Amino acid sequence: DSGVTQTPKHLITATGQRVTLRCSPRSGDLSVYWYQQSLDQGLQFLIQYYNGEERAKGNILERFSAQQFPDLHSELNLSSLELGDSALYFCASSKSTRNEQFFGPGTRLTVL
Amino acid sequence: AQRVTQPEKLLSVFKGAPVELKCNYSYSGSPELFWYVQYSRQRLQLLLRHISRESIKGFTADLNKGETSFHLKKPFAQEEDSAMYYCALSGGGSNYQLIWGAGTKLIIKP
Repeated sequence: DSGVTQTPKHLITATGQRVTLRCSPRSGDLSVYWYQQSLDQGLQFLIQYYNGEERAKGNILERFSAQQFPDLHSELNLSSLELGDSALYFCASSKSTRNEQFFGPGTRLTVL
Repeated sequence: AQRVTQPEKLLSVFKGAPVELKCNYSYSGSPELFWYVQYSRQRLQLLLRHISRESIKGFTADLNKGETSFHLKKPFAQEEDSAMYYCALSGGGSNYQLIWGAGTKLIIKP
């Protein structure tokens, strides 16, 4: 077990709605990364936070936002949901001085 | 530009046959390379990193700076090796962001 936890495991919602995905990194890891994995697009990097600050942005839509809190857990907010947002959303964490990323089990989002 | 290329979306081999998953990268400095594996839509797990130079589950990968490649190899494939494999590159710096290949789905036929 890598120690990264994500909630919820599954989420089913309707188009136009807003959801929040939560991630708790491994103990001691300061960096949190969010990824989207869909069948047709593979693994897409969304955003990275380091010790509460945004550090890098990938292919993240403007409808999506994230933050990392003082206790280092992170939330990914997805709004105005579309059918195409249905995917597995992974969170990963890493220590500040190492590049190895440890992944959580993912949240499966289904937009109906 | 930094880039990781996995030319094969799908690779299918018979059990017991050798396997090679290709990974080529583009990076101007000295990168760190990784292979991650994802079994049946589970979480991604680190399989190998080039600096550790170890063999995990029979897999090895050698960094070839001349050919800018980090191919993953196993001499005798097993059915449990069927999974999605991702090659990733880190250039270091302050962001510790990994650059990911598109992934190769490996299917081991019985």
